[in-house]
Amino acid sequence: QSVLTQPPSASGTPGQRVTISCSGSSSNIGSNYVYWYQQLPGTAPKLLIYRNNQRPSGVPDRFSGSKSGTSASLAISGLRSEDEADYYCAAWDDSLSGSWVFGGGTKLTVL
Amino acid sequence: QLQLQESGPGLVKPSETLSLTCTVSGGSISSSSYYWGWIRQPPGKGLEWIGSIYYSGSTYYNPSLKSRVTISVDTSKNQFSLKLSSVTAADTAVYYCARHFITMVRGVIILGNSWFDPWGQGTLVTVSS
Repeated sequence: QSVLTQPPSASGTPGQRVTISCSGSSSNIGSNYVYWYQQLPGTAPKLLIYRNNQRPSGVPDRFSGSKSGTSASLAISGLRSEDEADYYCAAWDDSLSGSWVFGGGTKLTVL
Repeated sequence: QLQLQESGPGLVKPSETLSLTCTVSGGSISSSSYYWGWIRQPPGKGLEWIGSIYYSGSTYYNPSLKSRVTISVDTSKNQFSLKLSSVTAADTAVYYCARHFITMVRGVIILGNSWFDPWGQGTLVTVSS
């Protein structure tokens, strides 16, 4: 059971806009930045969004992140076949001694 | 371009110690801007942070693994290493190393304002007799 909650799956057709949610608590998302990682099949995770809504160099502006309270969302517009991947949200959790926590991941299928 | 490469045995027996090394190339592990982290992913499952280390040797560990984890750094070889003791089948996973980009404010690390980028390709470690 992951500390951050994501839907296990999402889907869309090429060109569509899809969103993936990430729900947490006051000790993680509620008080810290949210990060998103993309894991293409058979590869290592790659940073997609940092500090809630910032894109690293090279990440298309089709990807955007937002945060409100103890929840966050990743939006992908103009969906493309190469976006088919697993997406993970992450945040620092201030409870106990503190730890990085991840969501369980959302598998995005491009139909 | 910074690259990270994990290395170590792919098979470890139950109750023994898992040992992995991450070699950093294309940049110095002694940079003041980064920690260096280990993250694992059991087959078909999500990600779990194990711990991170600074070039000075300062470490942060996942509390759930802290009693079994040791992360060390060798700046002369531009490497950092992971040791996980008393392993069981539950420790079977792909182990990734990653650069842990940190933010400091007046010398204090703000862990909530840090991220992992880039990652190594990962190495599968199976715990089995």
